[in-house]
Amino acid sequence: DQQVKQNSPSLSVQEGRISILNCDYTNSMFDYFLWYKKYPAEGPTFLISISSIKDKNEDGRFTVFLNKSAKHLSLHIVPSQPGDSAVYFCAASGGPSHYGQNFVFGPGTRLSVLP
Amino acid sequence: DTEVTQTPKHLVMGMTNKKSLKCEQHMGHRAMYWYKQKAKKPPELMFVYSYEKLSINESVPSRFSPECPNSSLLNLHLHALQPEDSALYLCASSQRVAASTDTQYFGPGTRLTVL
Repeated sequence: DQQVKQNSPSLSVQEGRISILNCDYTNSMFDYFLWYKKYPAEGPTFLISISSIKDKNEDGRFTVFLNKSAKHLSLHIVPSQPGDSAVYFCAASGGPSHYGQNFVFGPGTRLSVLP
Repeated sequence: DTEVTQTPKHLVMGMTNKKSLKCEQHMGHRAMYWYKQKAKKPPELMFVYSYEKLSINESVPSRFSPECPNSSLLNLHLHALQPEDSALYLCASSQRVAASTDTQYFGPGTRLTVL
């Protein structure tokens, strides 16, 4: 049972336009959400995060929106650049733990930014 | 500095070999993680170390043996692996243990091939 879903396996966007990547989750205990970017054969690179007490967080060209009632978050990249072409993973974690943080990753969306 | 280093970058081993993967971070993070990632799949959590003690083992076969010699170093000892264990092995660390709103920083990974 997938707790974190990214229903678009791939997305193509023209350079300079907006990229919107979507993520849905089912577990209402999740209270922290992150986006990671991954190039082939490399580790995921942290991009941006949002806590459940917020509905928007912005960092440069990247903005994450959280809609708790819909259990949905999205990552907006404006303007998109060819170097943004990568696989984007949505991750969620929830509840305090004395044992370390257990992230749940979505399956990823491959973004291609066309020049 | 948010760097997590992993060695080796690539490893090819036979099913009877014994090898080790190494991960290092000097950010003072108190939680460290091993993930396994197969092609076109999200990272899957294997182990969590908190304060140098193993706190989560996600039902990983005993042919994978983690070790945390000190707060900066995490090893994964491999023995009698199967070809299906071929994957990208990722190490990550996070600053705090009992906090869900923390970010995990990933290393570049070790690409393991089992012949």
